[in-house]
Amino acid sequence: GQQVMQIPQYQHVQEGEDFTTYCNSSTTLSNIQWYKQRPGGHPVFLIQLVKSGEVKKQKRLTFQFGEAKKNSSLHITATQTTDVGTYFCAGNSGGSNYKLTFGKGTLLTVNP
Amino acid sequence: DAGVTQSPTHLIKTRGQHVTLRCSPISGHKSVSWYQQVLGQGPQFIFQYYEKEERGRGNFPDRFSARQFPNYSSELNVNALLLGDSALYLCASSRDTGRPDFYEQYFGPGTRLTVT
Repeated sequence: GQQVMQIPQYQHVQEGEDFTTYCNSSTTLSNIQWYKQRPGGHPVFLIQLVKSGEVKKQKRLTFQFGEAKKNSSLHITATQTTDVGTYFCAGNSGGSNYKLTFGKGTLLTVNP
Repeated sequence: DAGVTQSPTHLIKTRGQHVTLRCSPISGHKSVSWYQQVLGQGPQFIFQYYEKEERGRGNFPDRFSARQFPNYSSELNVNALLLGDSALYLCASSRDTGRPDFYEQYFGPGTRLTVT
């Protein structure tokens, strides 16, 4: 079955440093979504990427979808303590498949 | 507008027992999905329902079942509980209009199930 892998599993940074998490799928994806889960909270939708090579920005966050639609990345510029949480990518292979497969996530901690 | 609501918040059950978890989607959302999240892992897809029909099922045993009601609320049932069923159970709704394209999922706060 479809597998979605994320690296790194953990990342600790000093406030102001940049952060990147990578997501790789074993199969070609129809779309990919990114979610953030604060400690003790529930996943909150950040963005969806659909097109090959797509790049989207949200303030300090930059999301990319690979040309082959099998990988994606999230980059945060100049991290802040409010960025703390686990970032998940979740992919869907499209067609009649309604299953959303999540990666294991990257836990980001920020030292003030 | 109210977000996705789930009940109960926490639940403690004994091995072999049965549990029912409930979810109310955001008003106007017709699609509800259930996920199991074990500590330190990403949410794992269990079911998706749209217009009261099961539209997707993850790799979970038949002890897991669900249904969606005419008001689009949903129940997740788990029979013959095992210790390994201890997890956070998340419900998510989306404004899916029935097309196979995926829409963003709005997650509820979850039900923390502990099986002893």
